Amino acid sequence: DTGVSQDPRHKITKRGQNVTFRCDPISEHNRLYWYRQTLGQGPEFLTYFQNEAQLEKSRLLSDRFSAERPKGSFSTLEIQRTEQGDSAMYLCASRKRDPTSGNTIYFGEGSWLTVV
Amino acid sequence: LAKTTQPISMDSYEGQEVNITCSHNNIATNDYITWYQQFPSQGPRFIIQGYKTKVTNEVASLFIPADRKSSTLSLPRVSLSDTAVYYCLVGDLTLLGSARQLTFGSGTQLTVLP
Repeated sequence: DTGVSQDPRHKITKRGQNVTFRCDPISEHNRLYWYRQTLGQGPEFLTYFQNEAQLEKSRLLSDRFSAERPKGSFSTLEIQRTEQGDSAMYLCASRKRDPTSGNTIYFGEGSWLTVV
Repeated sequence: LAKTTQPISMDSYEGQEVNITCSHNNIATNDYITWYQQFPSQGPRFIIQGYKTKVTNEVASLFIPADRKSSTLSLPRVSLSDTAVYYCLVGDLTLLGSARQLTFGSGTQLTVLP
């Protein structure tokens, strides 16, 4: 257990429905990342927050995807009008801003999405 | 972005030492080298990180030559439970580094046989 919590762990939804995933990073970690991973591939970067500010977004993050981190603590990733191609594992990771503590990014266990 | 190249797969037997090499020819000055382990249906787990020379922790060693164009993850005396995908990442993880630079490749599937 890395301390990064994701919920739900598994979600099956019908095409066209909206889904939301939640990530609780390690306490006091001000940097939070979302990745997406499909079977047989490495994780792909989606977006990045520093505190509550969303500083970077991948081109993979289409208009149907939105991520928030309203109070600089937990984050949500919402997918609207889901498509079968959205089926993947969505990974959250966090990192602390501290020049002396190292540069380790810790991942959660992921949230599996299956769109049927 | 520094691109990494790793073998797609490797097989080993229990008790052997396993070395997985990663090539990163265009590594930049501020880039660190990080290795993650991932089991099926789980998130990547941090193994080890280094900038140059050798780094050792309780689970692995990381060897980085002077030119830093490659790195080798060494797992001593592997067991069946070490069967997993291992990712080599190269990226600027300093405070000013871009998050995009933490880019995963396809990884190396290590299979440990009895």
